[in-house]
Amino acid sequence: GAVVSQHPSWVICKSGTSVKIECRSLDFQATTMFWYRQFPKQSLMLMATSNEGSKATYEQGVEKDKFLINHASLTLSTLTVTSAHPEDSSFYICSARDPARFTDTQYFGPGTRLTVL
Amino acid sequence: QKEVEQNSGPLSVPEGAIASLNCTYSDRGSQSFFWYRQYSGKSPELIMFIYSNGDKEDGRFTAQLNKASQYVSLLIRDSQPSDSATYLCAAPKAAGNKLTFGGGTRVLVKP
Repeated sequence: GAVVSQHPSWVICKSGTSVKIECRSLDFQATTMFWYRQFPKQSLMLMATSNEGSKATYEQGVEKDKFLINHASLTLSTLTVTSAHPEDSSFYICSARDPARFTDTQYFGPGTRLTVL
Repeated sequence: QKEVEQNSGPLSVPEGAIASLNCTYSDRGSQSFFWYRQYSGKSPELIMFIYSNGDKEDGRFTAQLNKASQYVSLLIRDSQPSDSATYLCAAPKAAGNKLTFGGGTRVLVKP
């Protein structure tokens, strides 16, 4: 139980293009999902909290116009990296909280590795 | 002071030994704590959580929580080379909210 998927698992794009990453909770409904970014040999950095049916809450320093988050249903949140640049190359990971379980537990998706050329 | 702190390691242990990882936190209001394991190039996976003082065991893993001293630890018994990974300690900023992660402790289990 508590399975989270992400798609795609890796993506390579040209500088200036936009990339959409999907995060799905497969066997539970997630009212809250989280988006993280991780650079090599560094810890997780929370980017934003995504709540179903409302606007995402972004962490300080994260550009909301560059990283568009949409949580349109209880099982799907999307992160769109707009006008991507090489410095956006990173490992993007989503997580979801299952309200039926211990409320603070987050289950992580497998991650999406983004490379911007 | 960071909210959740861990020794970055690497913690090198021989196969079959006990690996002991520590984590300290600054917010006395934190009620629950999580241990995640992250293999290189992969996303974190939940090992266990603990919210009561004392020990909690799950297979070869034991989490220990001491709220008075504000530390939580993870013991890995009979360490295996497959346990070589980075272990992340996390605590929620508030109940039902986002998690604050420590920097992680890298564990190397040598055959």
